[in-house]
Amino acid sequence: DIQMTQSPSSLSASVGDRVTITCRASQSIRNYVNWYQQKPGKAPKVLIYAASSLQSGVPSRFSGSGSGTDFTLTISSLQPEDFATYYCQQSHSTLTFGQGTRLEMK
Amino acid sequence: EVQLVESGGGLVQPGGSLRLSCAASGFTFNRYWMFWVRQAPGKGLEWVANIKQDGSEKDYVDSVKGRFTVSRDNAKSSLYLQMNSLRVEDTAVYYCARDKGIWLTTYEYWGQGTLVTVSS
Repeated sequence: DIQMTQSPSSLSASVGDRVTITCRASQSIRNYVNWYQQKPGKAPKVLIYAASSLQSGVPSRFSGSGSGTDFTLTISSLQPEDFATYYCQQSHSTLTFGQGTRLEMK
Repeated sequence: EVQLVESGGGLVQPGGSLRLSCAASGFTFNRYWMFWVRQAPGKGLEWVANIKQDGSEKDYVDSVKGRFTVSRDNAKSSLYLQMNSLRVEDTAVYYCARDKGIWLTTYEYWGQGTLVTVSS
């Protein structure tokens, strides 16, 4: 199975900060990566699909990039509602998620 | 509006069985792959099973193969997960999810989840 390694596992930031989360695949997966946001007690929500496409209704401060094995999710200017856990997920083969990145308020 | 509503979770002893259901509405159910994804308490997300639009293809994570069975009833717009020989490590919130319907698998819509607790 393809392993997805996210970093950092946790991150402290302030409103207005630019934040980047990284996901590395154990082998090349082209652009078969999605990013999700999950708030406590809630179901995940897709933010980015196919590495860089913004899901409808998601604010434009979220962006994704990468191809092959290295992918990033960037939040250009953190808003209070963005403090949550973020997961990458690969769809190239047997579906797997990264371990998650908890984004906390500094 | 797309809605997915899971039911059937609860407390069960190790070795027991449960059947989860997911009632779908707001879209043409038989046009989409469907999935079960779980999340153990305080842990990350794990894909469990998926099923093709007509039920002809199914796949499972290795840890549940031979114990869980995914099925669907397109006439009732419903997805199911039959879970047998349950283990303590199957304890999790189970979500049903709908595919986005494009060239790569994307969990576009999710239910609210149903909690399965396996404990003696």
